[in-house]
Amino acid sequence: DIQMTQSPSSLSASVGDRVTITCRASQSISSYLNWYQQKPGKAPKLLIYVASSLQSGVPSRFSGRGSGTDFTLTISSLQPEDFATYYCQQSYSIPPMFGQGTKVEIK
Amino acid sequence: EVQLLESGGGLVQPGGSLRLSCAASGFTFSTYAMSWVRQAPGRGLEWVSGISGSGGSTYYADSVKGRFTISRDNSKNTLYLQMNSLRAEDTAVYYCAKDEGYCSSPSCYPSWYFDSWGQGTLVTVSS
Repeated sequence: DIQMTQSPSSLSASVGDRVTITCRASQSISSYLNWYQQKPGKAPKLLIYVASSLQSGVPSRFSGRGSGTDFTLTISSLQPEDFATYYCQQSYSIPPMFGQGTKVEIK
Repeated sequence: EVQLLESGGGLVQPGGSLRLSCAASGFTFSTYAMSWVRQAPGRGLEWVSGISGSGGSTYYADSVKGRFTISRDNSKNTLYLQMNSLRAEDTAVYYCAKDEGYCSSPSCYPSWYFDSWGQGTLVTVSS
């Protein structure tokens, strides 16, 4: 199985900050990397697919980069509604593993 | 609008069984692969099982292989997860998720990422 490791596990930031979350795969997954946002008590929501494609309806302040084993999710200017937990997920092979999550909290 | 509505969760004793359902609407159900993803209390997301649009191919995480069975009824637009020999570590919210999928005529294939999710149903395994 391909293991996914996110860093940091949590971070504190202020509204308007630029935030970057990193995801590393245990082997190359090309660009088969996706990002989800989950708020407490809610289902996950797809933000970014195949590393850098923005899902329909997702604000342009979210962006994704990377290929191979190293990927990033960036929020260019953090908004109050962005405080949530973010998960990366590889779709290169079965099982489609998730990272452990990064909780973005208000500073 | 895509809608996925899970049902069938509840409290079950260790060793017991439960069947989850997911009623789908707003898209051509038979075209898309579907998956079940679970989340233990306070923990991250874990993919559990997936099934092709036709139902002819099924996939399982090692943690549930031999105990859980995924199936679908395309005439009823419904996805199922039959869970047997349940353990305490199966306690989680179970989400059904629609695969984004892609089609290369004449067939469609899973992409293994999930563009729509249900609200989840809680399964608690405890004596």
